[in-house]
Amino acid sequence: AQSVTQLGSHVSVSEGALVLLRCNYSSSVPPYLFWYVQYPNQGLQLLLKYTSAATLVKGINGFEAEFKKSETSFHLTKPSAHMSDAAEYFCAVSRMDSSYKLIFGSGTRLLVRP
Amino acid sequence: DTEVTQTPKHLVMGMTNKKSLKCEQHMGHRAMYWYKQKAKKPPELMFVYSYEKLSINESVPSRFSPECPNSSLLNLHLHALQPEDSALYLCASSQDVHSEAGYTFGSGTRLTVV
Repeated sequence: AQSVTQLGSHVSVSEGALVLLRCNYSSSVPPYLFWYVQYPNQGLQLLLKYTSAATLVKGINGFEAEFKKSETSFHLTKPSAHMSDAAEYFCAVSRMDSSYKLIFGSGTRLLVRP
Repeated sequence: DTEVTQTPKHLVMGMTNKKSLKCEQHMGHRAMYWYKQKAKKPPELMFVYSYEKLSINESVPSRFSPECPNSSLLNLHLHALQPEDSALYLCASSQDVHSEAGYTFGSGTRLTVV
């Protein structure tokens, strides 16, 4: 069965610092991988996705992620954190076969210090 | 139109009440989903509709009854809920269940059962 593991339930960075949110996946077939962001009392917004094209994926709001098959990872990065980046971030996986359910990781809350 | 619209945004209901949550999209998506999200937890899949037919029920109690009247609408009928059913209910849609484009989420209905 596919799954994702997000290391660190909370990550705190200073404004202007590098953001790194970690996601490792488990899937026996090539997966689709996604990062979503959720602001308080709102739904989820798609940041970026990996679907077997380029391994370095650029998303909205200056975020990017790199698919590393050898490490089964899909970490999310942003060179310079902004106060508005404070939110909950979810990594998610689905498979390119009949098991198409989108499964979410446990989430990482990003705190940005002034 | 690139949105998924959910109504109402907030709902308080008693354990003997019957209420419905509504979800609407006009993107031509043929797959629609209900997720349940408890506080500080990731969304959990409840139901999947594909081409207006129920394709996945994640062993959800029968007090939750989904309905897909047409390709744009998805309802979730609620009856005899328990306080532990209080949560954020999220609707999502995608082009189809195998879509690599990811899901578009609504902003959710915050349900409180008293």
